[in-house]
Amino acid sequence: NAGVTQTPKFQVLKTGQSMTLQCAQDMNHNSMYWYRQDPGMGLRLIYYSASEGTTDKGEVPNGYNVSRLNKREFSLRLESAAPSQTSVYFCASITGTAEGYTFGSGTRLTVV
Amino acid sequence: GENVEQHPSTLSVQEGDSAVIKCTYSDSASNYFPWYKQELGKRPQLIIDIRSNVGEKKDQRIAVTLNKTAKHFSLHITETQPEDSAVYFCAASKGSNYQLIWGAGTKLIIKP
Repeated sequence: NAGVTQTPKFQVLKTGQSMTLQCAQDMNHNSMYWYRQDPGMGLRLIYYSASEGTTDKGEVPNGYNVSRLNKREFSLRLESAAPSQTSVYFCASITGTAEGYTFGSGTRLTVV
Repeated sequence: GENVEQHPSTLSVQEGDSAVIKCTYSDSASNYFPWYKQELGKRPQLIIDIRSNVGEKKDQRIAVTLNKTAKHFSLHITETQPEDSAVYFCAASKGSNYQLIWGAGTKLIIKP
């Protein structure tokens, strides 16, 4: 199925552990985004990549790094997880606004 | 930077009645205003959007209005149905990279 694929869907980490969230899209979209969603706070942008080879910080980049591996893939890395990073993470992609963002199914991350 | 405020945080309406959700934005340069619907445990999905050169847009039972002078835009849902129950997010954007600033969301409850 065409769309945005995120892995894993669920993850529990201990404080200080590292992990990488994977995102891939097969729609030939140029721009890709990583958001986190916390209760009552809507969606907050962590990092985005306007095109292959570029990445930029969003509203809440601290504690995260990203890699735009190629046009399809955009990964998010937590180097040393903290309880404050417990959240639901969404990857999204877009080429033009006619279709809006296409979101992945999300990753529910718990840091204990 | 841009700030988007959304009200109310929770809205409960009787099935068949209308629902209105309002958002205000701070940056007069914003020119694209989408609305997303997120059902419980699912990803956000675009339901309607409007650009700054248009005052109103309709799609069946949903409509969006934009008042650029007052810097606010609203989502109107008529003849509400149980499947309209969800969290609705407004957003605003001005850049060519389609970076969105999101409202905090409105939980819409449709009472039978």
